[in-house]
This record gives sequence, C-alpha cells and structure tokens, in this order.
Amino acid sequence: GAGVSQSPSNKVTEKGKDVELRCDPISGHTALYWYRQSLGQGLEFLIYFQGNSAPDKSGLPSDRFSAERTGGSVSTLTIQRTQQEDSAVYLCASSSRHNIQYFGAGTRLSVL
Amino acid sequence: GENVEQHPSTLSVQEGDSAVIKCTYSDSASNYFPWYKQELGKRPQLIIDIRSNVGEKKDQRIAVTLNKTAKHFSLHITETQPEDSAVYFCAANRPDDYKLSFGAGTTVTVRA
Repeated sequence: GAGVSQSPSNKVTEKGKDVELRCDPISGHTALYWYRQSLGQGLEFLIYFQGNSAPDKSGLPSDRFSAERTGGSVSTLTIQRTQQEDSAVYLCASSSRHNIQYFGAGTRLSVL
Repeated sequence: GENVEQHPSTLSVQEGDSAVIKCTYSDSASNYFPWYKQELGKRPQLIIDIRSNVGEKKDQRIAVTLNKTAKHFSLHITETQPEDSAVYFCAANRPDDYKLSFGAGTTVTVRA
C-alpha cells in the first residue's frame, strides 16, 4: 500500500488476555518502529527493527511485550497477560535510509 | 543516548499571531531534526525537517532554525490559523542511528 497500515484500528480485551497488533510498513522501508502513546502523552519508543540487524528492544516496558518482523516486512507486537496500564494507542512507523518516519494510524488498545 | 527537551508544553495564541516552540538536544553528533504535527485522534505527520548542514529552512508559514553550537532548534509558525491547532513533536537523531529521540510534545491552541 501507499502508507503504513496497522490492524486492528481498535482492540478491546480483558485483563490477562494476550493481544497481537499488526503493522505493514511502506514497501521498501528497511526500518520499522513501534511506539506507545498514552492519552495526552508523548511518543514512548518501544522497539525498532533495521534490516537484518538484531532489533533494538531497549524501550519494551516489560517481558510481557515482544515483537517480531517476518521477512523484513510485516511486524507483530504481542502483549501477553494484558494489564489495564497497557491501554494506549500503539503506533507503528517505517523509514528508509533517509530517516523520515511515516506513521500508521495506530491501534487503540483498551484493557478492561 | 540522546535526550530531547521541548518547551513549552502548551501554547495558546491568537489567530494571526506567531507561535514558537523550542527544543534542546544533548548529543552533539545528532544531525537530523524533524518536526511532527499530530492533530487530535490522528497519526503524527512530518511537517518540516532540517539537517545539520543548514541553519534555517522555511516552508510557507512554517520555519525551523538550528543552532548547533547551543544544541537547540526551534519551530516557528507565522500567521497562525485554527487548523494549526495540534500537538507538535520535535525529534533528533545521530547519523549512525535510525532511532529518533522525541520531545514530550507541545499542545498548540489557536484562538479564533
């Protein structure tokens, strides 16, 4: 597609359940990023993938969070045993070597 | 790592007036400084960026200035309009790193 695509756009889950969020980056972009944005807050970096290099996981808040990127394209962010504090908008972005990041529309996660 | 501070956190201006947002960064090796605009409920979008080989860049009513010695850069919006109301994020990164370090954001409100 022309832009970064994320799915689902909204996800409501119960506390303790696992969720998977998907990101489809712009074709040809080698770098992919995940951010978390709580209501009215800034962009909290979670993880990024660059080509075939090991991902930078320095922003993941706990071991309940993990992400993978298969075939250098689509990425999945998994949150296990969700907690209410995980409620936020999860944004994905991708970039080429020129570093301009293009964001997806995000997934709004609500943990009840 | 890079640390970016952004001020003010909120800014209210009268329509037609100018708005200025300032950011400082800590890593003197940083050489790329983008600005993102996020309207309510929307994704962040790049509005202007500057690289360290120039001191100023302008695009219609928005401009960015960079002072490498002082390690700060600013966004200037002239003749503000209601559609300029949004959250603005500054960011910085090093030439050897794809990861952007974002400021905490500035909520700009343009009063009609």
